[in-house]
Amino acid sequence: SQTIHQWPATLVQPVGSPLSLECTVEGTSNPNLYWYRQAAGRGLQLLFYSVGIGQISSEVPQNLSASRPQDRQFILSSKKLLLSDSGFYLCAWSRGPYVSYNSPLHFGNGTRLTVT
Amino acid sequence: AQSVSQHNHHVILSEAASLELGCNYSYGGTVNLFWYVQYPGQHLQLLLKYFSGDPLVKGIKGFEAEFIKSKFSFNLRKPSVQWSDTAEYFCAVNARDYKLSFGAGTTVTVRA
Repeated sequence: SQTIHQWPATLVQPVGSPLSLECTVEGTSNPNLYWYRQAAGRGLQLLFYSVGIGQISSEVPQNLSASRPQDRQFILSSKKLLLSDSGFYLCAWSRGPYVSYNSPLHFGNGTRLTVT
Repeated sequence: AQSVSQHNHHVILSEAASLELGCNYSYGGTVNLFWYVQYPGQHLQLLLKYFSGDPLVKGIKGFEAEFIKSKFSFNLRKPSVQWSDTAEYFCAVNARDYKLSFGAGTTVTVRA
């Protein structure tokens, strides 16, 4: 069966410091990978998605970037964190080519990021 | 792009009461519809999904949802809630592309 791992679970970082959140998927190949941010009362906002190695699509211009160095690895980064980057970040995967009834999103446990 | 509206931000009810959460979406074409649930301290889980066929969909834990195409709605229901149904519920819509658009979520608090 497929599993998704996301770490760390919580992170406290000072403003201006770099960020690296990692997500890996096991038990499947060539998944679509996603980074979402969850804010209270605002649902889940799609930040990035990737349909293959090195292919990144950005949904929202911001202080963050994403990379996919390996088929089942997805990394969310920032060179200099802002206070507004605080939030709950979720990694997700689905089978390709599209999200669908037969290929729903599966989520990791999330990372609670606090920028101080 | 599609958008998703969930009408209730926070619902509080007693055990054994009936629950209905509203969800409307804005997209004129064929869609995939989902409800996800996030229990306290847990990850988002798929509750149920719909693409075609019987518009009344049954999911896990006694939940069901009804798709009404003319109203662009996909409301979630449970006839009798339990304390363990306390969670945040998200409606989501996909128009057969790479992305899944989520509503703002509804927090459900069930009092014992």
